[in-house]
Amino acid sequence: AQSVAQPEDQVNVAEGNPLTVKCTYSVSGNPYLFWYVQYPNRGLQFLLKYITGDNLVKGSYGFEAEFNKSQTSFHLKKPSALVSDSALYFCAVRPWGGYNKLIFGAGTRLAVHP
Amino acid sequence: DTAVSQTPKYLVTQMGNDKSIKCEQNLGHDTMYWYKQDSKKFLKIMFSYNNKELIINETVPNRFSPKSPDKAHLNLHINSLELGDSAVYFCASSNNPTSALTGNTIYFGEGSWLTVV
Repeated sequence: AQSVAQPEDQVNVAEGNPLTVKCTYSVSGNPYLFWYVQYPNRGLQFLLKYITGDNLVKGSYGFEAEFNKSQTSFHLKKPSALVSDSALYFCAVRPWGGYNKLIFGAGTRLAVHP
Repeated sequence: DTAVSQTPKYLVTQMGNDKSIKCEQNLGHDTMYWYKQDSKKFLKIMFSYNNKELIINETVPNRFSPKSPDKAHLNLHINSLELGDSAVYFCASSNNPTSALTGNTIYFGEGSWLTVV
């Protein structure tokens, strides 16, 4: 079965510290991987994606993610967290081939403390 | 200059009623989607239309009927609303996804918060 796992319900980080939000996936074939962020009472905003090429992908608001095929992971990172980064983060995968159907993880709530 | 817009943003209605949520995108995309986010924030696709043709239809009750009058619009009509239909419904759009070689980004609207009482 194709799936995405975000093992942490919540991640707490002090402002200015680096942050990591974890994501692992299970799909057949090569995956397309995405990160989205959801602020309270708002829609999903696209952050970044991995399609092919360089394993380190840079996205919006200073976020980046590293694709690791051997560990089937796509962790989201930021060198220095801001209080305004506090939100709900979703990892998603589109399995190779077929239609553009995203399979989402359960989401990880990021809380950045001053 | 909203890319994917959906109305209404908030909707409170009684069980048994019929309601619609409208969605429009001005990104020039030819594929549109409806996703449902439940009370635990879990997101799952419901439907997808490509150029007004239904291409994804997940296991969704027949009470839910999407309608795409043109490729820039995808409306969701729900009949005989039930308490369990309370959720956030997200409309989204992307470029043509039928090529296996593309990882087209899906862009989401702001969501419609449906509460059935």
